[in-house]
Amino acid sequence: DTGVSQDPRHKITKRGQNVTFRCDPISEHNRLYWYRQTLGQGPEFLTYFQNEAQLEKSRLLSDRFSAERPKGSFSTLEIQRTEQGDSAMYLCASSPGGAGPVYQPQHFGDGTRLSIL
Amino acid sequence: AQSVTQLDSHVSVSEGTPVLLRCNYSSSYSPSLFWYVQHPNKGLQLLLKYTSAATLVKGINGFEAEFKKSETSFHLTKPSAHMSDAAEYFCVVSLNFGNEKLTFGTGTRLTIIP
Repeated sequence: DTGVSQDPRHKITKRGQNVTFRCDPISEHNRLYWYRQTLGQGPEFLTYFQNEAQLEKSRLLSDRFSAERPKGSFSTLEIQRTEQGDSAMYLCASSPGGAGPVYQPQHFGDGTRLSIL
Repeated sequence: AQSVTQLDSHVSVSEGTPVLLRCNYSSSYSPSLFWYVQHPNKGLQLLLKYTSAATLVKGINGFEAEFKKSETSFHLTKPSAHMSDAAEYFCVVSLNFGNEKLTFGTGTRLTIIP
């Protein structure tokens, strides 16, 4: 179990630029989640995938945000035309998936910290 | 909809004394509740979970939490604090046994005084 891997760990960019983050889940985990955490706050849900299907998107995920998981393995989160308010830690989590009643824990990566200049 | 309220943004205790981090929840359905810990610049680690089994749940590193439906609370406790417990703690609620999106509280920063 190599854990959830996120790349890069840190990204500094100028306002208006596009950025893309990558998340590699634990192998054989069907579900993949993206969360955003701003300074002093708890993480907020953005979106999640069951295999390659994007099942739910938060209202926080504006039109400038897009997430993909093309082959049901790794996922990318792209932010277009970045704004100051996009500065945050972006966290990825994965889980085996399932509809209950057995709990399937979400395993988190260390996150990508985005700073907008 | 579901939500959690962490009643203290910052808690300080002396090493070796008990820890109490308070959390109240709101949920339209039977919730699943969790406590996660986050050390600086790291991801989140699951401490313990409640998914409708025993109301007193034990987690890692000596932490416990008790689900009290009548009080809509899920407070986190530890009998004796250790320096390594200093971190940010999040109370979390979810549906479907936790197999859906997690809704986090705003966090409680725990400081341990030597």
